[in-house]
Amino acid sequence: DADVTQTPRNRITKTGKRIMLECSQTKGHDRMYWYRQDPGLGLQLIYYSFDVKDINKGEISDGYSVSRQAQAKFSLSLESAIPNQTALYFCATSDFSTDTQYFGPGTRLTVL
Amino acid sequence: DQQVKQNSPSLSVQEGRISILNCDYTNSMFDYFLWYKKYPAEGPTFLISISSIKDKNEDGRFTVFLNKSAKHLSLHIVPSQPGDSAVYFCAASAEGSNTGKLIFGQGTTLQVKP
Repeated sequence: DADVTQTPRNRITKTGKRIMLECSQTKGHDRMYWYRQDPGLGLQLIYYSFDVKDINKGEISDGYSVSRQAQAKFSLSLESAIPNQTALYFCATSDFSTDTQYFGPGTRLTVL
Repeated sequence: DQQVKQNSPSLSVQEGRISILNCDYTNSMFDYFLWYKKYPAEGPTFLISISSIKDKNEDGRFTVFLNKSAKHLSLHIVPSQPGDSAVYFCAASAEGSNTGKLIFGQGTTLQVKP
């Protein structure tokens, strides 16, 4: 079984809709991250969390919100989706002792 | 400003030859560097890392070299295999600051021809 899972894997939605992407991990890591990837660009950090009570903004947090419901779960919400949020979204985890991160398989989101 | 740059969007090499992927960084606070490999429809997978106290780290066919004075790192794959065809991202962090944040380059698409 995969250590980091993301649901859904693909999603098509319309402008203005609220959408939630979910991430679960079985690695026992404290730290979790959400990234987006656009064509020709690297991964950009949206939000990150070091434990259940900790939420931090990344480089591109505008238009997004997150919830850390448990150590193993970290969800990303788009309150009112817009077309330029069409991208690949990745969740990642890391242990507190290292910056090496382990990624989920990604969610391809299309906003029409 | 782009703190981590991969200036070659793509690279094509023949099977069995060496692949060299390059990465430059600007932030002198970075002290930990990583390479990830990404296949289509999959998430990035961790490949190899290097701490700034070293200038070389080797793992099988993969070797990462770090030149701190030039703020440059490279990934060598020897010998290259068709299964190595993927997008490679370099990433950097200031691990000593314990922020946990990685800064990624834009990626280089490697094609290994049989």
